[in-house]
Amino acid sequence: KQEVTQIPAALSVPEGENLVLNCSFTDSAIYNLQWFRQDPGKGLTSLLLIQSSQREQTSGRLNASLDKSSGRSTLYIAASQPGDSATYLCAVRGYMDTGRRALTFGSGTRLQVQP
Amino acid sequence: DTAVSQTPKYLVTQMGNDKSIKCEQNLGHDTMYWYKQDSKKFLKIMFSYNNKELIINETVPNRFSPKSPDKAHLNLHINSLELGDSAVYFCASSQGRGAPQHFGDGTRLSIL
Repeated sequence: KQEVTQIPAALSVPEGENLVLNCSFTDSAIYNLQWFRQDPGKGLTSLLLIQSSQREQTSGRLNASLDKSSGRSTLYIAASQPGDSATYLCAVRGYMDTGRRALTFGSGTRLQVQP
Repeated sequence: DTAVSQTPKYLVTQMGNDKSIKCEQNLGHDTMYWYKQDSKKFLKIMFSYNNKELIINETVPNRFSPKSPDKAHLNLHINSLELGDSAVYFCASSQGRGAPQHFGDGTRLSIL
């Protein structure tokens, strides 16, 4: 059964710092991995999607990498801003579960960027 | 032009009642999902429908019954609500196996 772990659980950094959020998963047979952002009391906003055949994806100040064989993904945020404060969730979609399209989520990293 | 919309946004009700949550997507996606986010913010799949057909039912009590009248709608009906049902319920949709999932804003259910 797939398990997704995110480290650290919480992170507080001063504005302008570059930071890395970590995600690990136990079953490397994944179809893709998706990073989300969740603001308090809000829904999930998709940030980046990495297919299993890809090694990284970039969007603006965000870069996500995927090492499927080791079961790891990182989300790199450059030049952090107070507006980046949110909970970041990593989710994987299993490849071997035919017909299953649901995501298995990590418990998230709560990020606070201090002005 | 909301992509995935859920109603209501907040639902406060008493134990034992029956309630429904509605979800609609205007993205033309063929698959819709219900996820539950508990008090520890952990998100877990409950149901998945593909072209109106149930394809996932994750050990959810049978008090929970999803209904998909068409590809754009997936409603969740809950009978005999219990305290442990208090959570945020998210609807999502996607198209195809490799595409990202799009989430609604959630329905915050509180049981008194």
